[in-house]
Amino acid sequence: EAGVVQSPRYKIIEKKQPVAFWCNPISGHNTLYWYLQNLGQGPELLIRYENEEAVDDSQLPKDRFSAERLKGVDSTLKIQPAELGDSAVYLCASSPTTAGELFFGEGSRLTVL
Amino acid sequence: GQQLNQSPQSMFIQEGEDVSMNCTSSSIFNTWLWYKQEPGEGPVLLIALYKAGELTSNGRLTAQFGITRKDSFLNISASIPSDVGIYFCAGRTPGGWGKLQFGAGTQVVVTP
Repeated sequence: EAGVVQSPRYKIIEKKQPVAFWCNPISGHNTLYWYLQNLGQGPELLIRYENEEAVDDSQLPKDRFSAERLKGVDSTLKIQPAELGDSAVYLCASSPTTAGELFFGEGSRLTVL
Repeated sequence: GQQLNQSPQSMFIQEGEDVSMNCTSSSIFNTWLWYKQEPGEGPVLLIALYKAGELTSNGRLTAQFGITRKDSFLNISASIPSDVGIYFCAGRTPGGWGKLQFGAGTQVVVTP
């Protein structure tokens, strides 16, 4: 069974440019998460989806970050415009149920110059 | 911000030694998950705990869900070089959407 797939693995952009990350969860997993991981820290939740509904986006900086999961399967996280402080690893995870175990993708490492 | 206190922050041990780490919280959790993350990779689930007092093993790894529901422990026995990585605990609060919170991680370095 394929795991959580994320792309791109690495992205280098200049500040004020837009960037987008894509995630395809494990087949059949209704819950999808986007996490932010700064160097030396644990993952921090940005947004959680139950199917196509964003049920927890309280930690998402909505002035520059947006996310969508239009058909309740794959998801896109966008940053526009990017700032220097956005340099981090963006992790996508999925779980079969709301209270289930989370399975992570390999992450997308963003560097903003 | 994170509400879990994970310790120690890092450990330097010799191959063959046992490793212990723990997480404590000011909140009660109904789930504890332990992950391992290697450089350039996403976290990989090691052990899941769902009941207070539960003791679960996965090979040389053993984790326990604390009786108070506010802590959890992970032990690695007879460490080997491939145990190198950062170990994260994660706890889920009961009720509602059950938000999962992560500790800051314990970096384990194993020397031959």
